[in-house]
Amino acid sequence: EAGVVQSPRYKIIEKKQPVAFWCNPISGHNTLYWYLQNLGQGPELLIRYENEEAVDDSQLPKDRFSAERLKGVDSTLKIQPAELGDSAVYLCASSLSTGVTDTQYFGPGTRLTVL
Amino acid sequence: AQKVTQAQTEISVVEKEDVTLDCVYETRDTTYYLFWYKQPPSGELVFLIRRNSFDEQNEISGRYSWNFQKSTSSFNFTITASQVVDSAVYFCALSEANFGNEKLTFGTGTRLTIIP
Repeated sequence: EAGVVQSPRYKIIEKKQPVAFWCNPISGHNTLYWYLQNLGQGPELLIRYENEEAVDDSQLPKDRFSAERLKGVDSTLKIQPAELGDSAVYLCASSLSTGVTDTQYFGPGTRLTVL
Repeated sequence: AQKVTQAQTEISVVEKEDVTLDCVYETRDTTYYLFWYKQPPSGELVFLIRRNSFDEQNEISGRYSWNFQKSTSSFNFTITASQVVDSAVYFCALSEANFGNEKLTFGTGTRLTIIP
């Protein structure tokens, strides 16, 4: 079974430029998460989707970050414009919602460097 | 609010030694789940174990074992006969079992280096 797929794996951009990350969850997983991981820290949730609906986006900086999950499968996370402090790893995870706390499976992440 | 503390920032041991990674958590809920993930240099978080708050039985999986003690709010992870492939950052995480609010709170991780 294929795991969570993310692209690109690495991205280098200059500040004020836009950037987008793509995630394809494990087949059949209806819940999708985007996390931010700063160097030396654990991941922190940005947004969680249940199918197409964003059910928790309280930690997403909405002035510059946006996300979508069209058709309830793939998802895209966008930053516009990027700032120096956005340099981090962006992780996507997915799970199968069963009515109790689900196990989340993570992709390899996208390492973003903003110059 | 929930919190996970991994006080050991870095640990180095010689191959074949046993090593224990500590995890202490805080939560006001009586029902919750605890997890351990491994993050090798490739960056992907690999799921290792999930334990719910009602199951305090210790678990063993090959060279890995987990000791869950609610009395001390700890969920420690032991690797027996460590190998170089065990070198990674290990994260402990907590999720309160509120359906519709399955948010994982991670610790800051412990970087484990196994010296050949």
